[in-house]
Amino acid sequence: GENVEQHPSTLSVQEGDSAVIKCTYSDSASNYFPWYKQELGKGPQLIIDIRSNVGEKKDQRIAVTLNKTAKHFSLHITETQPEDSAVYFCAASGGNTPLVFGKGTRLSVIA
Amino acid sequence: KAGVTQTPRYLIKTRGQQVTLSCSPISGHRSVSWYQQTPGQGLQFLFEYFSETQRNKGNFPGRFSGRQFSNSRSEMNVSTLELGDSALYLCASSLNRGNTEAFFGQGTRLTVV
Repeated sequence: GENVEQHPSTLSVQEGDSAVIKCTYSDSASNYFPWYKQELGKGPQLIIDIRSNVGEKKDQRIAVTLNKTAKHFSLHITETQPEDSAVYFCAASGGNTPLVFGKGTRLSVIA
Repeated sequence: KAGVTQTPRYLIKTRGQQVTLSCSPISGHRSVSWYQQTPGQGLQFLFEYFSETQRNKGNFPGRFSGRQFSNSRSEMNVSTLELGDSALYLCASSLNRGNTEAFFGQGTRLTVV
């Protein structure tokens, strides 16, 4: 089955700097890669996703890149703000298979 | 449009008891998936329901079960509770099966004592 590795597990950045979180997956049949943000006491919130026919997708300060050959995808957050502090999860799935999640990255943005 | 609603938000149960958790998906969404979230194991898939049928099942013992009703609302049940079942149980709602966006509820925090 699918296995998703996520790095780093914790990340601290200064406000205004960029943050990058990386994930690798094992199943070449996976073709959908969402990213979630989870704040304390809340459920995961879908922030951006990418499908295998696209190499990069942007939404304001957030971007995701996908390298299908290397089986890895990354989340980029630019101009970080304190409200970006949260736990971020990557996930992968293919066809009708369930989402498989990485272990999460705790991002701290220091003002 | 209302989001995914999970009830109750918090539960405290004793070992050996059973518990039922409820999930109301986003209106019009037909697929409901359940996940268990713990600090050590992260988010682990329990099962997926679509059109009142279980479509996928994760690697959990038979004490974990679920169902889906004709209005797409779903319930999950855990029998003979163990201390290790203490976790945040999350429900995700999707329009259809396959690679469509999944939206999570706030979860039910279950504590087994």
